[in-house]
Amino acid sequence: GDSVTQMEGPVTLSEEAFLTINCTYTATGYPSLFWYVQYPGEGLQLLLKATKADDKGSNKGFEATYRKETTSFHLEKGSVQVSDSAVYFCALNPTGANSKLTFGKGITLSVRP
Amino acid sequence: EAQVTQNPRYLITVTGKKLTVTCSQNMNHEYMSWYRQDPGLGLRQIYYSMNVEVTDKGDVPEGYKVSRKEKRNFPLILESPSPNQTSLYFCASSFVGGSGANVLTFGAGSRLTVL
Repeated sequence: GDSVTQMEGPVTLSEEAFLTINCTYTATGYPSLFWYVQYPGEGLQLLLKATKADDKGSNKGFEATYRKETTSFHLEKGSVQVSDSAVYFCALNPTGANSKLTFGKGITLSVRP
Repeated sequence: EAQVTQNPRYLITVTGKKLTVTCSQNMNHEYMSWYRQDPGLGLRQIYYSMNVEVTDKGDVPEGYKVSRKEKRNFPLILESPSPNQTSLYFCASSFVGGSGANVLTFGAGSRLTVL
């Protein structure tokens, strides 16, 4: 079945450090890929998405590129801020399956001043 | 403001005492879903609904019930809660259709503790 694998956490970085959070997926066809973010005490919200191979999603300085050849959707940011501290979830929506997201386990990012 | 509203946000109850967590959205979304979030397990889908009177099981439906009598509401019912249902619950909604890239809007979460 469909699945999403995220790198193990938690991750702790200093402010202005470079961030990479790995995400790989298993799915048939051409799923849509997402990154959701959960700030402390809040629900999840969409960070960025990509719907086809080689698409790059970007938002708030974060980027992720849909790589079909490596079945990956790694999240990157060039310079993290304390306000980026949150839990990050990679997710996929299988081809034709409206709205049914399969989530990775999430990874907690803590950014130190 | 477009939002998904869950109530209660926090609840402590005892084993076997029926409870309902309400979910309401004001965006006219067809699709609604319930997830539970547990440490080390991420989010797992409990039930979902594609429209009024259309519901289906997700990945972990045991011990839960849902109903969709109105488009805006999708309550989660625990008929006889047990301690293994202690969790953080999220309701989410979205439009249906398009390319499969519909974005889910999540509620703020309901933290349930069953003693």
